Amino acid sequence: EDQVTQSPEALRLQEGESSSLNCSYTVSGLRGLFWYRQDPGKGPEFLFTLYSAGEEKEKERLKATLTKKESFLHITAPKPEDSATYLCAVSNSGGYQKVTFGTGTKLQVIP
Amino acid sequence: DSGVTQTPKHLITATGQRVTLRCSPRSGDLSVYWYQQSLDQGLQFLIQYYNGEERAKGNILERFSAQQFPDLHSELNLSSLELGDSALYFCASSETGASYEQYFGPGTRLTVT
Repeated sequence: EDQVTQSPEALRLQEGESSSLNCSYTVSGLRGLFWYRQDPGKGPEFLFTLYSAGEEKEKERLKATLTKKESFLHITAPKPEDSATYLCAVSNSGGYQKVTFGTGTKLQVIP
Repeated sequence: DSGVTQTPKHLITATGQRVTLRCSPRSGDLSVYWYQQSLDQGLQFLIQYYNGEERAKGNILERFSAQQFPDLHSELNLSSLELGDSALYFCASSETGASYEQYFGPGTRLTVT
């Protein structure tokens, strides 16, 4: 069964203090790894898809990287508006195209 | 705004009742996914439809069912409701059935009393 584990569960940063969120996964053939941002009471917002080890994608202060066992979401010089829960998910390459989500990292950026 | 719409926003009902949640995907998207999000379990995949046909099934209870109509909107039916069914229910859509980028709606908050 596919599994996604995110750490830490919660992270508190000062504005401008860079850090990384971790997503460890086990999947029977990776079709894609996804990062989403979710604000309280709202639907997840798509950020990135990574397909193969070594791939990197960037968007503003966020950079996602992928290895064969984990993905990192690097946040450079975060701002208070980056505060949210960040979700990682994987989709397997089998015929059963289920997406498995992690429980997320709740990020709080303090001014 | 993702372009995915869900109705209603909030629903309060009693145990044993049946409710229907509705989702309209983004224009051009053929695939619809349903998820349940509760505080203790995170985001759980329920079911996926692609162009009217069931494509993948997750942790969906037998009391729950879904369908996708010819105009591509989808409905999730929840019956014999229990207190534990209280959660946020999200619909997402994607262009293809390949589960790549999924775009989520704002969700329906279901409270079972």
